Amino acid sequence: DGGITQSPKYLFRKEGQNVTLSCEQNLNHDAMYWYRQDPGQGLRLIYYSQIVNDFQKGDIAEGYSVSREKKESFPLTVTSAQKNPTAFYLCASSGLGSGAKNIQYFGAGTRLSVL
Amino acid sequence: GNSVTQMEGPVTLSEEAFLTINCTYTATGYPSLFWYVQYPGEGLQLLLKATKADDKGSNKGFEATYRKETTSFHLEKGSVQVSDSAVYFCALSVNYGQNFVFGPGTRLSVLP
Repeated sequence: DGGITQSPKYLFRKEGQNVTLSCEQNLNHDAMYWYRQDPGQGLRLIYYSQIVNDFQKGDIAEGYSVSREKKESFPLTVTSAQKNPTAFYLCASSGLGSGAKNIQYFGAGTRLSVL
Repeated sequence: GNSVTQMEGPVTLSEEAFLTINCTYTATGYPSLFWYVQYPGEGLQLLLKATKADDKGSNKGFEATYRKETTSFHLEKGSVQVSDSAVYFCALSVNYGQNFVFGPGTRLSVLP
């Protein structure tokens, strides 16, 4: 089955620790995205990438880092500089082009909490 | 710039009631329009889409029509069920997917 896999489903971070959230897609999509969702809130864009080895900051990139070494993978690292990391993190991917190509598809999310 | 505005929630309805969730947009060019649904603790799922003016997207009894003259894409369902309780997001895409904008979401609760 084609889709987007996020892991782990739940993650706990200690003070001063960096943690990495995994996102893998087998949809052959060019673009991948990371969003943060706080309780009862909408989505805020953290980073996105439209091509391998290139990525752009979104609206709330401070305290986060990403890499795009492979088309299928777009891991997100929540660094110790992110002082309020507790949230639900969503990864998405899309093709680039007209019509159905520009639909975003989402993973099931990772819930990050601070110990 | 590009933006999406949705009606404030939460929306609470009784089972079998008629649902409307308003969505209006501002965009440069000719956007594609989407409705996504998020069930508790899950990611977003595409509910329906429309790619050009006057297109009607439909799925699972939900419908929305792309109205260019009013820049709107309102979501409707004739008879809601308890299982429709979720958060609904309106979204647009321009520049062939390079710019994707989500609305703030509207929480729907359907009571038996």
